[in-house]
Amino acid sequence: SQQGEEDPQALSIQEGENATMNCSYKTSINNLQWYRQNSGRGLVHLILIRSNEREKHSGRLRVTLDTSKKSSSLLITASRAADTASYFCATGEAFEAYGNKLVFGAGTILRVKS
Amino acid sequence: DTEVTQTPKHLVMGMTNKKSLKCEQHMGHRAMYWYKQKAKKPPELMFVYSYEKLSINESVPSRFSPECPNSSLLNLHLHALQPEDSALYLCASTRTGRADTQYFGPGTRLTVL
Repeated sequence: SQQGEEDPQALSIQEGENATMNCSYKTSINNLQWYRQNSGRGLVHLILIRSNEREKHSGRLRVTLDTSKKSSSLLITASRAADTASYFCATGEAFEAYGNKLVFGAGTILRVKS
Repeated sequence: DTEVTQTPKHLVMGMTNKKSLKCEQHMGHRAMYWYKQKAKKPPELMFVYSYEKLSINESVPSRFSPECPNSSLLNLHLHALQPEDSALYLCASTRTGRADTQYFGPGTRLTVL
């Protein structure tokens, strides 16, 4: 079942601009993660934010989490052509004592024009 | 070494064939996952192995048969697949713990004729 819903579905910006993607989810979570996928390839983990955190930074990435609204946002600042990819949020549900069951949102396709 | 490898990269098979996908990691991770991803869709979880035991089967048809021979290796055996099973099959692993990052392999692009 799909947990996260993302918007926009597609985003096209100029190099140097900021890109913001939003994710909403439905149930309680342990954590929320953002992944990037270049065309037809494996996913690359970008950032993980735990349910007791509100904001997290990693380089040009900034993620916020609002558990009261069940939503998260990913901001990419000073975008580059190499940021062109699909971006997925994924909510983590723990199972047993090990592992983390991820349920992915529909994704946002980001195109950065140079 | 933070890499998950998958072989083959591409696979074309007929509906009567038997084939296997292979996934390997040497990071000491104890949970491994198979996902299926159709074009322009998000990955969907198929199976999870935790400490080499099948923990989750997301109601996957029996024509997909997972196997975890050891803590570093995960296989997905394919038999009598349908054309709608054509997709990108992704493997991932996590160390342990409830908040762990999943490390993904590059995937196997499967085409069923």
